[in-house]
Amino acid sequence: DTGVSQDPRHKITKRGQNVTFRCDPISEHNRLYWYRQTLGQGPEFLTYFQNEAQLEKSRLLSDRFSAERPKGSFSTLEIQRTEQGDSAMYLCASTTTSWTAYQETQYFGPGTRLLVL
Amino acid sequence: RKEVEQDPGPFNVPEGATVAFNCTYSNSASQSFFWYRQDCRKEPKLLMSVYSSGNEDGRFTAQLNRASQYISLLIRDSKLSDSATYLCVVSGGNQFYFGTGTSLTVIP
Repeated sequence: DTGVSQDPRHKITKRGQNVTFRCDPISEHNRLYWYRQTLGQGPEFLTYFQNEAQLEKSRLLSDRFSAERPKGSFSTLEIQRTEQGDSAMYLCASTTTSWTAYQETQYFGPGTRLLVL
Repeated sequence: RKEVEQDPGPFNVPEGATVAFNCTYSNSASQSFFWYRQDCRKEPKLLMSVYSSGNEDGRFTAQLNRASQYISLLIRDSKLSDSATYLCVVSGGNQFYFGTGTSLTVIP
C-alpha cells in the first residue's frame, strides 16, 4: 500500500454529465500529479501541484477539465460535460521534492476508472 | 516525436529465460530515469530507478546510455510473477514522461 488513495474507484456516467474525482496523497508529499491512461498507453500527464499551487497543465487538459488542491493536501479533478473520449483511468501520484532528482519517485494511487456512456 | 518510446511487445518467454527491454528518450536534458511495473488494471509501481552507472536489484538490471539516449531493463531467470507491463519513465524538470509500456508474459 503506497498510501495514495483515490475516490471513487469506478465511475459510470452519461455523456454531458459532470464528474469529480478526489485524490489524497501521502501526507508528507508536497507534489501531486494527475494523469490519464487509456488502454495500451502509458499514463499521460495532465497537471501537477506543488502544495496548493497548480504549476503546470498539459494541453490535453481542455477547458472542461479543472483541478484544485485548495489546502495543499487532497486534490480534486473535475470534468464538465463529459464526452465518450474522456473514458479512461485517471491516476493520481504524489512525490516530495528533493535536491536529488533520483529521490523524486512517484507513488500512484489505485486510479479512478471512468466510463462515459 | 514522443518523449519516450518503447517496443510494446508482447514478449512471451518461458520461465527461467532472460529478457531485455529497451527504451529511448528524446530530450537529452532529461535528469531521472525509472522502470515501473504495471499489472493489469492496477496502478504503476516503481520497479527501480536507473542510475548512470547502471544498477542491479536481484534479478533485475537497469542500464542508462546518455550518449545514445536509451535505457534498458534486463530480467534474468524470469518468473511467472514477472508477467506485467513494464513502463519506462523519464523525468526532466517537473514532468514525468511515460512510455507506452512493454508487455511481458512468462509462460510455464
